Amino acid sequence: IQLTQSPSLLSASVGDRVTLSCKGSQNINNYLAWYQQKLGEAPKLLIYKTNSLQTGIPSRFSGSGSGTDYTLTISSLHSEDLATYYCYQYNNGWTFGGGTKLELK
Amino acid sequence: EVQLVESGGGLVQPGRSLKLSCVASGFTFNNYWMTWIRQAPGKGLEWVASITNTGGSTYYPDSVKGRFTISRDNAKSTLYLQMNSLRSEDTATYYCTRDGQPFDYCGQGVMVTVSS
Repeated sequence: IQLTQSPSLLSASVGDRVTLSCKGSQNINNYLAWYQQKLGEAPKLLIYKTNSLQTGIPSRFSGSGSGTDYTLTISSLHSEDLATYYCYQYNNGWTFGGGTKLELK
Repeated sequence: EVQLVESGGGLVQPGRSLKLSCVASGFTFNNYWMTWIRQAPGKGLEWVASITNTGGSTYYPDSVKGRFTISRDNAKSTLYLQMNSLRSEDTATYYCTRDGQPFDYCGQGVMVTVSS
């Protein structure tokens, strides 16, 4: 399964509502996770099974979707959210999307 | 506290071999699948290999199949990645992960550079 993330680069301001997209080449059956990776750090799990928030992750992060189309939403962007975000499917094999880099406008 | 500590990286010539290790602590190692992922400099993340909790089954993408071998020693809470016939495109930071489907903890990563 191939995953396509869009946009590849997103410029936003603190306080903005931000939406990141991930589209699969086949049905992912909700086995879709989102990771945040800050520069020089290991990826961190934010969301699993489409919309389940990992322990310790702020509630401003949420996930949704079904079938082939999935979304990560940050309800109000904080400066510490600047990072690259990857979607990851574990329904059929294991695949990462290409990433969306979130930067300050 | 879950900890995953990788070691064994370094500079290696193309065609040579290298073995990575990952010592796990803070959880019951033999209850979890484990997975290696990697990231080439300036690039995205790539799944490299997975192993079931017993070590009975292993999984690889085509890019490393036949060259890399994942294994584990549950008595030592240690995960391994044997990398043979290394290529320049294997240059990356390799992360050991605890795989609860999906993976939920990563080590700090170890750098592997394949160059003559």
